[in-house]
Amino acid sequence: AQRVTQPEKLLSVFKGAPVELKCNYSYSGSPELFWYVQYSRQRLQLLLRHISRESIKGFTADLNKGETSFHLKKPFAQEEDSAMYYCALRGGGADGLTFGKGTHLIIQP
Amino acid sequence: EAGVAQSPRYKIIEKRQSVAFWCNPISGHATLYWYQQILGQGPKLLIQFQNNGVVDDSQLPKDRFSAERLKGVDSTLKIQPAKLEDSAVYLCASSYDRPEYYMNTEAFFGQGTRLTVV
Repeated sequence: AQRVTQPEKLLSVFKGAPVELKCNYSYSGSPELFWYVQYSRQRLQLLLRHISRESIKGFTADLNKGETSFHLKKPFAQEEDSAMYYCALRGGGADGLTFGKGTHLIIQP
Repeated sequence: EAGVAQSPRYKIIEKRQSVAFWCNPISGHATLYWYQQILGQGPKLLIQFQNNGVVDDSQLPKDRFSAERLKGVDSTLKIQPAKLEDSAVYLCASSYDRPEYYMNTEAFFGQGTRLTVV
């Protein structure tokens, strides 16, 4: 069975401070990992995926297969980063996603 | 491009009543998903279609939930009869069906239908 764990329900940091949202997964094969974000009153949207290895809005995430983690990081938080963040896993192809419970990130001014 | 469209946005029903949700995916997306998101949880996959065929419905409570995608485009999800624990946001998502191009596997989500069962 596949599982995604996000240990923090809520994370509050000050503007300009570094941010790290934790994600651990359980999967027997080689998964595809994603971070989705939901801003207030907007739909769920893809932030980044491990395959593309790119930085989106200053966020990066590295897949660590040894620790089965895919933590999301940003060196300097901005107020517009306040949102719900979901880590998700796909077993392969166009299979459905398995989501974590989400972390509510609040950036204080 | 136009996004995934869902209706209605909100629905309140009494327990034991039936309800239906509608989804129109992005044009050209062969794969369609229905997710259930209970308050405080992440979305949970209920059913996945590829064109008009079911790929995965292992987490769909088939005694009360049903879904169809007759012409391989729009889809409806029905609950009959509803229970209090069905109160949730029901999300529809779609993606291309050519996973060999990794960019095509991105799932695009609709705004969701918020269901309250009283």
